[in-house]
Amino acid sequence: DQQVKQNSPSLSVQEGRISILNCDYTNSMFDYFLWYKKYPAEGPTFLISISSIKDKNEDGRFTVFLNKSAKHLSLHIVPSQPGDSAVYFCAASDRNYQLIWGAGTKLIIKP
Amino acid sequence: DTEVTQTPKHLVMGMTNKKSLKCEQHMGHRAMYWYKQKAKKPPELMFVYSYEKLSINESVPSRFSPECPNSSLLNLHLHALQPEDSALYLCASSQVGVAQGYTFGSGTRLTVV
Repeated sequence: DQQVKQNSPSLSVQEGRISILNCDYTNSMFDYFLWYKKYPAEGPTFLISISSIKDKNEDGRFTVFLNKSAKHLSLHIVPSQPGDSAVYFCAASDRNYQLIWGAGTKLIIKP
Repeated sequence: DTEVTQTPKHLVMGMTNKKSLKCEQHMGHRAMYWYKQKAKKPPELMFVYSYEKLSINESVPSRFSPECPNSSLLNLHLHALQPEDSALYLCASSQVGVAQGYTFGSGTRLTVV
């Protein structure tokens, strides 16, 4: 049973436009949600996180929104840049502080 | 130093070989992790060390043997691996009990022939 789901395997966005990556979860006990970015043959890089007590967290071009009632979070990247092309993983932290990962979404920024 | 360093970056080994993967961090993190990642899949947790003690073993076969000699180092000893064990092996570290901001190494690309 997948507790964290990223239903879009890939997303293609024009450079300069907004990229929106989505993530759904099933466990209402998750207390932290994180987004990681991964380039091929490299380890994931932490991007941004949000606590379950908040509904928005912003860091530069990256904003994460959390809708607890819908068990849904999204990552907005504005404006999208070519260097943003990567695989983005959504992850949630359980009460043991272990990360439960989504399957990832490959973001392609078109010039 | 805000990095997790993994060596080697690439490793090719035969099914009868014994090899070790190494991971080092100097951020004062007391939790360290081994993950395995196959192409187009999320990282899979293998082992967790907290305060140099093994706290989680996700039913990993005994041909993978972790070791944490001190708070900065984490090893993964490999013996009698199978071709299906070929993957990217990632080390990560974090503060114990802190949900956010695991720091990952760049990984070791392992190929078993």
